[in-house]
Amino acid sequence: GNSVTQMEGPVTLSEEAFLTINCTYTATGYPSLFWYVQYPGEGLQLLLKATKADDKGSNKGFEATYRKETTSFHLEKGSVQVSDSAVYFCALSAGNNRKLIWGLGTSLAVNP
Amino acid sequence: NAGVTQTPKFQVLKTGQSMTLQCAQDMNHEYMSWYRQDPGMGLRLIHYSVGAGITDQGEVPNGYNVSRSTTEDFPLRLLSAAPSQTSVYFCASSYVAGTSYEQYFGPGTRLTVT
Repeated sequence: GNSVTQMEGPVTLSEEAFLTINCTYTATGYPSLFWYVQYPGEGLQLLLKATKADDKGSNKGFEATYRKETTSFHLEKGSVQVSDSAVYFCALSAGNNRKLIWGLGTSLAVNP
Repeated sequence: NAGVTQTPKFQVLKTGQSMTLQCAQDMNHEYMSWYRQDPGMGLRLIHYSVGAGITDQGEVPNGYNVSRSTTEDFPLRLLSAAPSQTSVYFCASSYVAGTSYEQYFGPGTRLTVT
């Protein structure tokens, strides 16, 4: 069946460090891929998405490229800020039933 | 634009009590869903709906009921609360048609069952 695996946290970085959060998936067909972010005490919000192979999603300095050959959608940011401290979720949607398959989330803490 | 709203934000129940978590959206989304979020377990789908009058079970439906009488509202009912239902509950909505599949989330309800 469909599944998402993302790296375990917590991840702790200093401000301006480079961030990578790994996400790999298993899915039949051609899923859409998403990164969601959850700031402390809030609901989830979409950070970026990619709907077909080789697409790059980007937002707020974050990027992720849909790699079908490696079934991956790793999240990257060149220079993190304290305000990026949050939990990041990788997710996929396959088929037309609108359900999202979620990774377990990766907590990121950025220290000044 | 209100988006997805949930009430209450916090709730404490005693074992055996019942209650309804409210969810409403003003984006005319056909698809609505309820998740629970527990430490180390990510998001788990409780129930979902693809339109008014249509509901279906997710991964963890036991102990919860839903109904969808209007496009806007999707309440979640706990029939007889148990400590295992202590969690943060999120409602989400999206369009059914199209290819985006983006889900919009409410701010959550933090429920404690004692």
